[in-house]
Amino acid sequence: DAGVIQSPRHEVTEMGQEVTLRCKPISGHNSLFWYRQTMMRGLELLIYFNNNVPIDDSGMPEDRFSAKMPNASFSTLKIQPSEPRDSAVYFCASSQGRQVPNQPQHFGDGTRLSIL
Amino acid sequence: AQTVTQSQPEMSVQEAETVTLSCTYDTSESDYYLFWYKQPPSRQMILVIRQEAYKQQNATENRFSVNFQKAAKSFSLKISDSQLGDAAMYFCAYKGTSGSRLTFGEGTQLTVNP
Repeated sequence: DAGVIQSPRHEVTEMGQEVTLRCKPISGHNSLFWYRQTMMRGLELLIYFNNNVPIDDSGMPEDRFSAKMPNASFSTLKIQPSEPRDSAVYFCASSQGRQVPNQPQHFGDGTRLSIL
Repeated sequence: AQTVTQSQPEMSVQEAETVTLSCTYDTSESDYYLFWYKQPPSRQMILVIRQEAYKQQNATENRFSVNFQKAAKSFSLKISDSQLGDAAMYFCAYKGTSGSRLTFGEGTQLTVNP
């Protein structure tokens, strides 16, 4: 079975540019999560969706960050404009949500983002 | 709010030996789920083991087992017969029953010495 698929695997861009990270959750999973991982702050939850609806976006750092989930099989995390401090590894994860609460979140391989 | 604490930023173990990673959590819920994830240098987040709070029996997955002490709110991971491939960052995580989100600890970096 395919796991959570993230693209791109690596992204290097100059500050001020728009960055779009993509995620395809596992089929049948109805919860999707975006995390950011840095050495300083560890693993932070940015936002999560349930049935394509954003439930908690309190972790989104500022208005430069936005996330969408137009359908059950696709989500994007966008940073516009990007800044060097946004450099991090961004993970997408999915799970079966509240219906099956003991099921873990399954993570993608992450996108390593470098803003120069 | 729930919090998860891993008090050991780094641990090391000799190959073939046993090591225990500590995790404590704080919650007012009576039912919840606990997980250990492993993140090797490849940066994948891999589920190692899970425990349901309502189960008294400690979970076991091959060389990995947990010591779940509900009253003490402790959830340690024991790795037996350590292998070089076990070297990774290990994260403890908590999930309540009222939502889908996980609360992660800070992580413990495990080194396995040959």
